[in-house]
Amino acid sequence: GQQVMQIPQYQHVQEGEDFTTYCNSSTTLSNIQWYKQRPGGHPVFLIQLVKSGEVKKQKRLTFQFGEAKKNSSLHITATQTTDVGTYFCAGPRIQGAQKLVFGQGTRLTINP
Amino acid sequence: GAVVSQHPSRVICKSGTSVKIECRSLDFQATTMFWYRQFPKQSLMLMATSNEGSKATYEQGVEKDKFLINHASLTLSTLTVTSAHPEDSSFYICSARRGSRDNEQFFGPGTRLTVL
Repeated sequence: GQQVMQIPQYQHVQEGEDFTTYCNSSTTLSNIQWYKQRPGGHPVFLIQLVKSGEVKKQKRLTFQFGEAKKNSSLHITATQTTDVGTYFCAGPRIQGAQKLVFGQGTRLTINP
Repeated sequence: GAVVSQHPSRVICKSGTSVKIECRSLDFQATTMFWYRQFPKQSLMLMATSNEGSKATYEQGVEKDKFLINHASLTLSTLTVTSAHPEDSSFYICSARRGSRDNEQFFGPGTRLTVL
């Protein structure tokens, strides 16, 4: 079945270091979305990428959608303690595109 | 805008009882709401999709008679866990879409259910 895989599962960095999480889909996606879930919280929408090769930036966060629209990455430059949380990518289902298939998430912890 | 609330935030109940969780879109009309389940340190697993005025569609492996979903209005969906058992203990999160053109989902704060 359709799968969305994320690596790494966990990442621990020193504050100020960079962080990257990678997302790979078993199928071509019409779009990919990224969500952040703080510890004890709920997922919050960060961004949606639609175009092949698209790159979008939000301050220290850079999101990229692969040329084949099957993979994506989120890069955080100079992490801060507020970046702590789990980052999920999600893509629309092949059947029932309103539904999302979530990756397993990458949990980021930061040493201040 | 696009705020989704959930009530209650936490519930502890005895095995065999039923628990109702409400999900409301506060500042928009949600034609579609989704119910997810999340176990500790795991991803979100879609349980069912709820469309206003029609029956919910359940994911494979989710018992529709156990997890009753009602989407009575464009701003309210409810999930009732019937005859709850300890294995139903989990974090239940709803989300909503603003419209058919918006792909992003707005999540409620979640309900942590503990069944003793």
